[in-house]
Amino acid sequence: DQQVKQNSPSLSVQEGRISILNCDYTNSMFDYFLWYKKYPAEGPTFLISISSIKDKNEDGRFTVFLNKSAKHLSLHIVPSQPGDSAVYFCAVSGRNSGNTPLVFGKGTRLSVIA
Amino acid sequence: DVKVTQSSRYLVKRTGEKVFLECVQDMDHENMFWYRQDPGLGLRLIYFSYDVKMKEKGDIPEGYSVSREKKERFSLILESASTNQTSMYLCASSPGTEESYEQYFGPGTRLTVT
Repeated sequence: DQQVKQNSPSLSVQEGRISILNCDYTNSMFDYFLWYKKYPAEGPTFLISISSIKDKNEDGRFTVFLNKSAKHLSLHIVPSQPGDSAVYFCAVSGRNSGNTPLVFGKGTRLSVIA
Repeated sequence: DVKVTQSSRYLVKRTGEKVFLECVQDMDHENMFWYRQDPGLGLRLIYFSYDVKMKEKGDIPEGYSVSREKKERFSLILESASTNQTSMYLCASSPGTEESYEQYFGPGTRLTVT
């Protein structure tokens, strides 16, 4: 059973528009949430994170929103740029679990069209 | 800057060969992880390690073993490579503290078993 679901395998957005990537999780004990970006033939790189005590975190063009009651988080990229084209993974961690592996979703491939 | 390096970017091996994938991190991190990434399946955890000589099975340990003789080095071993082990292999490390959940990834090894 998937604990972390990214229901859209792919997403296409025009340059300059907003990209919204979604992620759902099943366990309310998860309390830290991360987004990673991955280009082909490279390892994933950390993008942005949010803890369960917040509902929004911004970093430049990237904003993560957390809706704990719905067990849902989303990543907004605005404005989208062609260099944002990559696979985006949502990852979650349990309470007091610095030693526990992150649980990853299956990823969403974002294509930003110029 | 955290650096995680992997011994090879591309590797081609024959069925039945013993394969060693090496990973080294330079930030004195406690935790190290091995994942494989396959299209449509996301990142799947093979093994992880909390400390030297410690290892824990992940979600898909069958056909793999690991070795962690030194804190900075975590090796993944395919005892007898099979074609279904053709994949992208990703190593990661993390500090292992409750304040830090982020995992840092290496560039990956694309393994082809023929």
